Amino acid sequence: AQSVTQPDIHITVSEGASLELRCNYSYGATPYLFWYVQSPGQGLQLLLKYFSGDTLVQGIKGFEAEFKRSQSSFNLRKPSVHWSDAAEYFCAVGAHGDYKLSFGAGTTVTVRA
Amino acid sequence: SQTIHQWPATLVQPVGSPLSLECTVEGTSNPNLYWYRQAAGRGLQLLFYSVGIGQISSEVPQNLSASRPQDRQFILSSKKLLLSDSGFYLCAWETGGSTEAFFGQGTRLTVV
Repeated sequence: AQSVTQPDIHITVSEGASLELRCNYSYGATPYLFWYVQSPGQGLQLLLKYFSGDTLVQGIKGFEAEFKRSQSSFNLRKPSVHWSDAAEYFCAVGAHGDYKLSFGAGTTVTVRA
Repeated sequence: SQTIHQWPATLVQPVGSPLSLECTVEGTSNPNLYWYRQAAGRGLQLLFYSVGIGQISSEVPQNLSASRPQDRQFILSSKKLLLSDSGFYLCAWETGGSTEAFFGQGTRLTVV
């Protein structure tokens, strides 16, 4: 069965500083990997996804993620955070061809001025 | 363009009362539809998915049920709510060959 671990429950970062959110997955085949962001009281918005090819994936809002098969990781990064990046971030893994996704527990990001 | 609607946005229901949450999709045909639940402090858990009218698969045994009476309508129901049914419920759709699932705005359910 597939599963996702997000080791950091809460991260606080200063505005303008870099951000890295960790994600480790467990899946027996080549995974489909996703990062979603959820603003308070809102649904999920897809930041980026990895299906195949280049292991460094660029997403919206200046985010990128790197797939490392040897480490079973898909960490999300942003070089310089903005106050609007304060939200909850979810990593998810799925199988080829469907969206029965397994989500991590999420990481809440707080941005301080 | 495709859109997804969920309602209501928030709901407070007493224990033992029935539940009906509705999700509709516009601008696409024959979508795959999903219900997820986010319990407090936890990630999203897939509850049900549907690949067509009347076709429902349950991922987790529980107090809830789902139905798909129309191609673009997905309903989450319960006959008698439990306190543990509280959470944030999200509907999602995708078209099988797509590379992205789209989520609704969610329903915050509090069972009291």
